[in-house]
Amino acid sequence: DTEVTQTPKHLVMGMTNKKSLKCEQHMGHRAMYWYKQKAKKPPELMFVYSYEKLSINESVPSRFSPECPNSSLLNLHLHALQPEDSALYLCASSQDVVLGQNNSPLHFGNGTRLTVT
Amino acid sequence: GDSVTQMEGPVTLSEEAFLTINCTYTATGYPSLFWYVQYPGEGLQLLLKATKADDKGSNKGFEATYRKETTSFHLEKGSVQVSDSAVYFCALFQGYSSASKIIFGSGTRLSIRP
Repeated sequence: DTEVTQTPKHLVMGMTNKKSLKCEQHMGHRAMYWYKQKAKKPPELMFVYSYEKLSINESVPSRFSPECPNSSLLNLHLHALQPEDSALYLCASSQDVVLGQNNSPLHFGNGTRLTVT
Repeated sequence: GDSVTQMEGPVTLSEEAFLTINCTYTATGYPSLFWYVQYPGEGLQLLLKATKADDKGSNKGFEATYRKETTSFHLEKGSVQVSDSAVYFCALFQGYSSASKIIFGSGTRLSIRP
């Protein structure tokens, strides 16, 4: 079982819909991440939150809006998506975003499979 | 910039065969190196890691040694099982600032025949 929980597991939405993806971890990690993974590709980083503040935005379109309400929760708000946004969206966490001597690896959830129609 | 190169897949082996998945990296400094595994329908799981030169990471019968001289971190297993069928990602990380991020290779799909 993964220690990072993502809901929902599957989501189908139209291009005019507004939906949210949710992620939760209770490992006390202070860094949380959103990744997008297309079929047969590695995960692509979208956003990084460190101590509940956005530290990296990889030039993601504004139709994706992240939110970190507290250190255990991470949301991704979706609005006016395109069919090419269909992918597996993975949440991850780590002890700290600056690994340094900790070298804390990423802990991934099982993802939300998003289909945009 | 930093990068990771993995051998192209898919790799198909018979059960109990010896496995090697090659991984080389380009980085300034001294990154930490990781192997992640992704089983069908799941997220990525850390398989093993090494944080400095000559370190050997091991887990579930898999091993990889951090070779600075050849900038490599090849994944090996002496006898694979059907349950090892998955996609394997090599990755590196140098975390010196809040802008640091992990870099993944392209992934290698492994299929094991009974």
